[in-house]
Amino acid sequence: AQSVTQPDIHITVSEGASLELRCNYSYGATPYLFWYVQSPGQGLQLLLKYFSGDTLVQGIKGFEAEFKRSQSSFNLRKPSVHWSDAAEYFCAVGAGSGGGADGLTFGKGTHLIIQP
Amino acid sequence: DTAVSQTPKYLVTQMGNDKSIKCEQNLGHDTMYWYKQDSKKFLKIMFSYNNKELIINETVPNRFSPKSPDKAHLNLHINSLELGDSAVYFCASSSSTGRNEQFFGPGTRLTVL
Repeated sequence: AQSVTQPDIHITVSEGASLELRCNYSYGATPYLFWYVQSPGQGLQLLLKYFSGDTLVQGIKGFEAEFKRSQSSFNLRKPSVHWSDAAEYFCAVGAGSGGGADGLTFGKGTHLIIQP
Repeated sequence: DTAVSQTPKYLVTQMGNDKSIKCEQNLGHDTMYWYKQDSKKFLKIMFSYNNKELIINETVPNRFSPKSPDKAHLNLHINSLELGDSAVYFCASSSSTGRNEQFFGPGTRLTVL
């Protein structure tokens, strides 16, 4: 069964500093990997996705993530955070079957706090 | 031009009542999902429908019954509500010809008193 681990429950970063959120996955085949962000009281917004090809993917709001198959990781990065980045971040894995109606398996989320 | 919408946004009700949450998507997707987010923000798939057919039915009490009248709508009916049903319920949709990129609705916060 697939699983996702986000080792950091909370992370505090100063505004303007760089950010890295960790994500490790377990999946038997080629995974489809996603990062979603959830602002307080809001739904989930897709930041970026990895399906195949270039292992460094660019997303919205200046985020990027790198897929490392050897480490089963898909860490999210941003070179300089803004106060508006404070939110809950979820890593998710989907079946690499190319479609169907598979649900996503989510990690437990990382709560990002931005210090002024 | 909301992509995935849910009604209501908030739902407060008494134990034992029956309630429904509605979801609609205008993305032309053929697959829709219900997820539950608990008080610790953990998200878990409950159901998925593809072309109005139930595909995934995770271990969810049979008090929960999804209904898909057409590809653009997936409603969630809950009978005999319990305190433990309090959560945020998210609807999502995707294309089965795509790569499982799911678009989420704004969520419905259900509080059972």
